[in-house]
Amino acid sequence: DAKTTQPPSMDCAEGRAANLPCNHSTISGNEYVYWYRQIHSQGPQYIIHGLKNNETNEMASLIITEDRKSSTLILPHATLRDTAVYYCIALNYGGSQGNLIFGKGTKLSVKP
Amino acid sequence: KAGVTQTPRYLIKTRGQQVTLSCSPISGHRSVSWYQQTPGQGLQFLFEYFSETQRNKGNFPGRFSGRQFSNSRSEMNVSTLELGDSALYLCASRRGHGRGMGEQYFGPGTRLTVT
Repeated sequence: DAKTTQPPSMDCAEGRAANLPCNHSTISGNEYVYWYRQIHSQGPQYIIHGLKNNETNEMASLIITEDRKSSTLILPHATLRDTAVYYCIALNYGGSQGNLIFGKGTKLSVKP
Repeated sequence: KAGVTQTPRYLIKTRGQQVTLSCSPISGHRSVSWYQQTPGQGLQFLFEYFSETQRNKGNFPGRFSGRQFSNSRSEMNVSTLELGDSALYLCASRRGHGRGMGEQYFGPGTRLTVT
């Protein structure tokens, strides 16, 4: 699975959009981009995933560049409860393995 | 629909003892994975079970083992506990096994402290 690179920390004002970048320059054609987050002392929570088209669900939007070398997770109106560590993971769609490889993620702090 | 449940939530054990942790997946989910989370190493994959068979294993010593029952519930066991085994142990379930199954649902974890 491709290695991903994320900034270690980011701040965002409450009510503003939080844009979390992820670099996956070695991603292969059959690797999806998955995003999870972990709120302090809780288990990770699945957010969204995509292959090459932009995706949106009730939690967030995922924008993947045309060359698929990077992506951005967008939380449109961040709240204090969105303060968490966000993980970007590249996962081989064709693989049968159940192991998610978590990096260090981005610690997002939403401030009032 | 009920989420993934893990018991116990907190546990304190002494070096050399063994411990068994339990995980009940979301109803209808047949795959269960286990992860260890420590401040130093972050989240690391332990193993995955599907249809009562271990399908994948991470890089952990043989003291760490697991099993899955016919109802998909899973247990993991750590024998001869060491101080370094102190961690948050997380269980995650997903519907099946195989292609595109990156959407996993995590339980709250079991916080194990070894003294």
